[in-house]
Amino acid sequence: DGGITQSPKYLFRKEGQNVTLSCEQNLNHDAMYWYRQDPGQGLRLIYYSQIVNDFQKGDIAEGYSVSREKKESFPLTVTSAQKNPTAFYLCASTKHGSNYGYTFGSGTRLTVV
Amino acid sequence: KQEVTQIPAALSVPEGENLVLNCSFTDSAIYNLQWFRQDPGKGLTSLLLIQSSQREQTSGRLNASLDKSSGRSTLYIAASQPGDSATYLCAVRHSRAGGATNKLIFGTGTLLAVQP
Repeated sequence: DGGITQSPKYLFRKEGQNVTLSCEQNLNHDAMYWYRQDPGQGLRLIYYSQIVNDFQKGDIAEGYSVSREKKESFPLTVTSAQKNPTAFYLCASTKHGSNYGYTFGSGTRLTVV
Repeated sequence: KQEVTQIPAALSVPEGENLVLNCSFTDSAIYNLQWFRQDPGKGLTSLLLIQSSQREQTSGRLNASLDKSSGRSTLYIAASQPGDSATYLCAVRHSRAGGATNKLIFGTGTLLAVQP
């Protein structure tokens, strides 16, 4: 079955460390997205990519970086510059065109220790 | 700026009751609206997708309506069950944000508890 796979499910980061969250999809979707979810704040867009080798900042991009070298993959790096990284991170994808909905992965919970 | 609001923030009902969740948005320039379900610690599961040209969509016990001109959508759940307990999120695909793929804007959700 097609879907989006996020790994790991749980991730612990020490102060000053960079960590990378994986997102892979086999839906042949064109666009991919990273959202951050905090209690009481809803989902906020970090970065998105509409095509390979291109990506755009979302609403809260500071302290994060991404790459899109393959259509299927959109990894997110949480850098040491992100001062409050503890959150639930969700990856999503969709096809180009206004008729399509979004598909989400199962999420990665990142905790600073 | 598009803003999405969901009311109520939390809802508790006895099993078997029919219920309605509300979603409102400030800008009617949308391509579609999507309802999701989220269980604790899990990702989002898509329930229903309504295109801007449609008035409603149905899937099993779920029925979603869309009134684009008034900026409102409702999710109707018939004969609720304890397994329906989850957070329900609505999101609009905003057509003013540089193309159809750019922006999915979420409400903050309604936490539903169905008591057995």
